[in-house]
Amino acid sequence: QLQLQESGPGLAKPSQTLSLTCTVSGDSITSGDYYWSWIRQTPGKGLEWIGYIYHSGSTYYNPSLKSRVTVSVDTSKNQFSLNLTSVTAADTAVYYCARVLLGSYCLDSWGQGTLVTVSS
Amino acid sequence: QSALTQPASVSGSPGQSITVSCTGTSSDVGDYNLVSWYQLYPGKAPKLIIFEVNKRPSGVSNRFSGSKSGNTASLTISGLQAEDEGDYYCCSFGGSRPWVFGGGTKVTVL
Repeated sequence: QLQLQESGPGLAKPSQTLSLTCTVSGDSITSGDYYWSWIRQTPGKGLEWIGYIYHSGSTYYNPSLKSRVTVSVDTSKNQFSLNLTSVTAADTAVYYCARVLLGSYCLDSWGQGTLVTVSS
Repeated sequence: QSALTQPASVSGSPGQSITVSCTGTSSDVGDYNLVSWYQLYPGKAPKLIIFEVNKRPSGVSNRFSGSKSGNTASLTISGLQAEDEGDYYCCSFGGSRPWVFGGGTKVTVL
């Protein structure tokens, strides 16, 4: 059974970089036609797509976050990661990683999410 | 402000049917049959319940159904049960914006 698990610090200081990792178990990150994505849920803006990566390393980011976002993949560890730079309080959110089924563009499997608070 | 518009809350009594609407534009909901719905509970992994407008993943109850008319998609929960209480989000493929989400609807079982 596919499982995704987010990990990383729960607190980030303003202007610093938020870094999270998603560990995939139950299947290889290189198998099948899937993208691997990051989504966040903020109190004020609901769910927001951040970006996705294919196992080859190709990426696509939300234009509103593109200048601050990097998503990378480590196929040897079956993980993919999110870096979000120059964070502010507006980046406080529950961050989810999820698998995207190509063609359907649906998020068919999610992690349980991790709360990241941006505060000094 | 979310790209797709959902009612903030919908409620119903056990056994009743309720419908949650999701209104977008001709650039997302109206242009693609790629609407999906998700069930969110705090502290738990969100769950896909409908994809491609009206398809159910394996294991999802047939009490959940989806439809679309023009720029509005809908999720119907029939035979409402206490376990259905939670937050529901719609999502549509939006071309250059791969995923646009609704603001979420809180479903309450009275």
